[in-house]
Amino acid sequence: RKEVEQDPGPFNVPEGATVAFNCTYSNSASQSFFWYRQDCRKEPKLLMSVYSSGNEDGRFTAQLNRASQYISLLIRDSKLSDSATYLCVVNGGGSQGNLIFGKGTKLSVKP
Amino acid sequence: GAGVSQSPRYKVAKRGQDVALRCDPISGHVSLFWYQQALGQGPEFLTYFQNEAQLDKSGLPSDRFFAERPEGSVSTLKIQRTQQEDSAVYLCASSWQGGYYGYTFGSGTRLTVV
Repeated sequence: RKEVEQDPGPFNVPEGATVAFNCTYSNSASQSFFWYRQDCRKEPKLLMSVYSSGNEDGRFTAQLNRASQYISLLIRDSKLSDSATYLCVVNGGGSQGNLIFGKGTKLSVKP
Repeated sequence: GAGVSQSPRYKVAKRGQDVALRCDPISGHVSLFWYQQALGQGPEFLTYFQNEAQLDKSGLPSDRFFAERPEGSVSTLKIQRTQQEDSAVYLCASSWQGGYYGYTFGSGTRLTVV
């Protein structure tokens, strides 16, 4: 089983739609969780850190369920500029560990 | 510098050739990571440095891959006797301390082995 698994994509949605990405991770010792965004032929960029209580940044909401080892990202009122690949990321355990990336889910927002 | 700088941006190598990829991390960042990203996949961990010490090299796919960071700043990833399966984007990232708070990636080096 892969350490970080994400919804298979692609997601094709109209502008203004709400879209949700789900992710599960296998290492119960993981302590930090992130969503990264990667545009075509660009490097991944940090979108949000994910906290236990859930956190919101404008149109983006991230949730973490440690008991189920599950992370989600909700995008409301999607824009054309949200089109990208969204990577679920988990640290490998401990404060010094490397980050483990999911395969990513591609989102295409259409006019 | 302002960001993580990688060079070259693109590299075409003939099969069997040795290549060296350079990473210049954000000034003061203690931790440095190398990742390999194949087309359509997420980044896969290769190796991790804290200052000049290589703390984890468990992701290096074979003994043809070697990384160093001799003065705790610039790092070089070397691939000997390149094979076609080495074709990928090689990403370098740096952070103040490990991966706990996430890290910043460079633009990557796209390696094509022909």
